[in-house]
Amino acid sequence: AQKITQTQPGMFVQEKEAVTLDCTYDTSDQSYGLFWYKQPSSGEMIFLIYQGSYDEQNATEGRYSLNFQKARKSANLVISASQLGDSAMYFCAMSYPFSGGYNKLIFGAGTRLAVHP
Amino acid sequence: GAVVSQHPSWVICKSGTSVKIECRSLDFQATTMFWYRQFPKQSLMLMATSNEGSKATYEQGVEKDKFLINHASLTLSTLTVTSAHPEDSSFYICSASPPRGPGNTIYFGEGSWLTVV
Repeated sequence: AQKITQTQPGMFVQEKEAVTLDCTYDTSDQSYGLFWYKQPSSGEMIFLIYQGSYDEQNATEGRYSLNFQKARKSANLVISASQLGDSAMYFCAMSYPFSGGYNKLIFGAGTRLAVHP
Repeated sequence: GAVVSQHPSWVICKSGTSVKIECRSLDFQATTMFWYRQFPKQSLMLMATSNEGSKATYEQGVEKDKFLINHASLTLSTLTVTSAHPEDSSFYICSASPPRGPGNTIYFGEGSWLTVV
């Protein structure tokens, strides 16, 4: 069975500093995708970054980078130069194969990030 | 602009009544859509997979007679919460992906906040 684990319920970071949000996963599938989403208080799910299981290079999207360590089954999100607007809930998720396609997602418990001025 | 639209954003209903939530894919046809539920301060949990032209597939523990899903067209899935009770108050959000799109193409609706009084 697939599982996503986020062990940090809450994190604090000073504005302009970098922060790492941890995510580990468990799956027996060879093909899967790893996502990070940001969820502000409005509830919308904002896509941040994606890493495919066969991608050899770590994904980067602006200030976001994904530290993908396949052997350790970890997919940590690094946010550089934190901004006050980064304060939100962050979810790690994994897509995995099922009969209809690859877009079924399982989510971790989430990490609430607070950026302090 | 939004690629997947969800309506209504907010709904308050009386206990015992039914409420319908719509999820529309605006720019593509989606044979499969997903419905998630998120209780306060918790993660997103997959409720069911909505299949165009056939019955929905429900996750374990989700009452199919209470949460009716209809996917009558390639762009619209509806979730009806029947005989709603206060414990059904939650954030409901749908997702969809274009067919044969890359693995990272998962679009979420804006979400619907349901309050049962």
